[in-house]
Amino acid sequence: SQQGEEDPQALSIQEGENATMNCSYKTSINNLQWYRQNSGRGLVHLILIRSNEREKHSGRLRVTLDTSKKSSSLLITASRAADTASYFCATDASNTGKLIFGQGTTLQVKP
Amino acid sequence: DVKVTQSSRYLVKRTGEKVFLECVQDMDHENMFWYRQDPGLGLRLIYFSYDVKMKEKGDIPEGYSVSREKKERFSLILESASTNQTSMYLCASSRPQGIDEQFFGPGTRLTVL
Repeated sequence: SQQGEEDPQALSIQEGENATMNCSYKTSINNLQWYRQNSGRGLVHLILIRSNEREKHSGRLRVTLDTSKKSSSLLITASRAADTASYFCATDASNTGKLIFGQGTTLQVKP
Repeated sequence: DVKVTQSSRYLVKRTGEKVFLECVQDMDHENMFWYRQDPGLGLRLIYFSYDVKMKEKGDIPEGYSVSREKKERFSLILESASTNQTSMYLCASSRPQGIDEQFFGPGTRLTVL
């Protein structure tokens, strides 16, 4: 079963603009993680936010978590062409390391 | 630099063949995972392992088995490959604590003809 649903499925922006991706989930979680995948490659971990945190930053990335709405958002500021990739949220509901992934948002940043 | 490697980037097999996908990690991680990724379906967990010789079914284990004889190696086995197993297969590993990131291999794109 899919825990996370991401919105939008696809996003196309110009270089320099901000990109926002959203993730909704169904059950209570211990933490939520965001991953990036370049075309045809494995996933790379971007950021982890725990259930008792509301916001987290890492470089140009900002993640928010609203457990009351069971949703999270990933903001990439001042996007670059190299940010073109698919972005996935993943939730850990059992604190066992087992993650459930969303279907992903495909981001295209045009130079 | 931490690394998860997979035995092949691309693999083409015929229906009915037995297929082995190998995954090796050099981070001494206890946890290892096998996913398949299909367009529109995201990543789905096939099997995972928390320790040597230990395995647990994920969401879609049918048609697959796994083997973990050594801590660093986690193998996915398709006993009799079928065309609906054509997919991208991703291996990952993580430390035993629940709150931790997963490290992924580059993936194996398997085509079953």
